[in-house]
Amino acid sequence: QQQVKQSPQSLIVQKGGISIINCAYENTAFDYFPWYQQFPGKGPALLIAIRPDVSEKKEGRFTISFNKSAKQFSLHIMDSQPGDSATYFCAASRRNSGGSNYKLTFGKGTLLTVNP
Amino acid sequence: GAVVSQHPSRVICKSGTSVKIECRSLDFQATTMFWYRQFPKQSLMLMATSNEGSKATYEQGVEKDKFLINHASLTLSTLTVTSAHPEDSSFYICSASRTILETQYFGPGTRLLVL
Repeated sequence: QQQVKQSPQSLIVQKGGISIINCAYENTAFDYFPWYQQFPGKGPALLIAIRPDVSEKKEGRFTISFNKSAKQFSLHIMDSQPGDSATYFCAASRRNSGGSNYKLTFGKGTLLTVNP
Repeated sequence: GAVVSQHPSRVICKSGTSVKIECRSLDFQATTMFWYRQFPKQSLMLMATSNEGSKATYEQGVEKDKFLINHASLTLSTLTVTSAHPEDSSFYICSASRTILETQYFGPGTRLLVL
């Protein structure tokens, strides 16, 4: 019930293209869905996050789409750039109550390569 | 804002020695800090959750006597790997949040190599 499934494992996109990474979760108690970007040898950096009361959130070139009924959410990177090449992790947690669900459950990550 | 630092960034030690890693929240007070371990090309594995002034809560399978965690102040948590062995070599990452339910901000990680 704590699993978050992420796909694809790796993705190669041409510069200027759209990168799409998908995640699916099982625990309906989750109410916070962040995406993290990690460069080699660095810690993850929060990219964008969404709560289930909205279906989409956009920040610059990054958009999260959220489908509560399907228990799926995705990250779209528009106009992908070589500098976006990194590993992306989706995660989920429950932020409005106690128990152990406050812990971030991470997907396995997607290695994005944007070719120039 | 919300900057988290770790020190050292990388450390090499001999088998059997102990290594201390520091995690600091630089511009906010962190009631809760988390410690993760990450193997190459894998996801982050939560090791323990620490709340300021209390004992850390360890995840199943993590030896609390081997990975000592101290969270003595609202800006500092330390992870000590005791009697390190080569299998402890990994990338250790901390995160900090103002409260246990708020956004986690991650440190840059510490690369540990045990020879």
